[in-house]
Amino acid sequence: EAGVAQSPRYKIIEKRQSVAFWCNPISGHATLYWYQQILGQGPKLLIQFQNNGVVDDSQLPKDRFSAERLKGVDSTLKIQPAKLEDSAVYLCASRGERKTQYFGPGTRLLVL
Amino acid sequence: GNSVTQMEGPVTLSEEAFLTINCTYTATGYPSLFWYVQYPGEGLQLLLKATKADDKGSNKGFEATYRKETTSFHLEKGSVQVSDSAVYFCALLYNSNYKLTFGKGTLLTVNP
Repeated sequence: EAGVAQSPRYKIIEKRQSVAFWCNPISGHATLYWYQQILGQGPKLLIQFQNNGVVDDSQLPKDRFSAERLKGVDSTLKIQPAKLEDSAVYLCASRGERKTQYFGPGTRLLVL
Repeated sequence: GNSVTQMEGPVTLSEEAFLTINCTYTATGYPSLFWYVQYPGEGLQLLLKATKADDKGSNKGFEATYRKETTSFHLEKGSVQVSDSAVYFCALLYNSNYKLTFGKGTLLTVNP
């Protein structure tokens, strides 16, 4: 079974630029999560989707971050405009019927 | 709210030493508890889990027991290997909304 796929793996941008990350969850997993992991900290949930609907986006900085999962499968997370403090690893995870979340390899973002 | 506290690292051990990484939690109700491991440059992998009090999760020689009376889920391994060098995250899952709350992570380095 293929795992959670993410791209790109690395991204370097300048502040005020925009960037987008892509995630393809494990086949059949209805729930998809985006996390932000700042260096030296645990992952923090940004947004949770159930199929193509948003379940929880209370921690998403909506003035600059947006996410969509239009067909209930893959998802895109966008930052526009980026700030220095957005430098982090962005992790995507998916969950099927059970409680366990499976994580992708992450996208490492550096904002200069 | 829910929170997870892990022992601060880094932890440095010699090969074949005994490992303990402490984890305590604060939560309402009865969460599920997890240990995830993150190898350098990779995403998070589920190491083990326990879904109710007194359950013991185990995998790859690692063990952790869900202790409700002490609200703890300490990770142990009897004999660590160099390949165990990674960051270990304790996490709880609030069963009503399937949200994961992570600790800050503990960096383990095992020297030959």
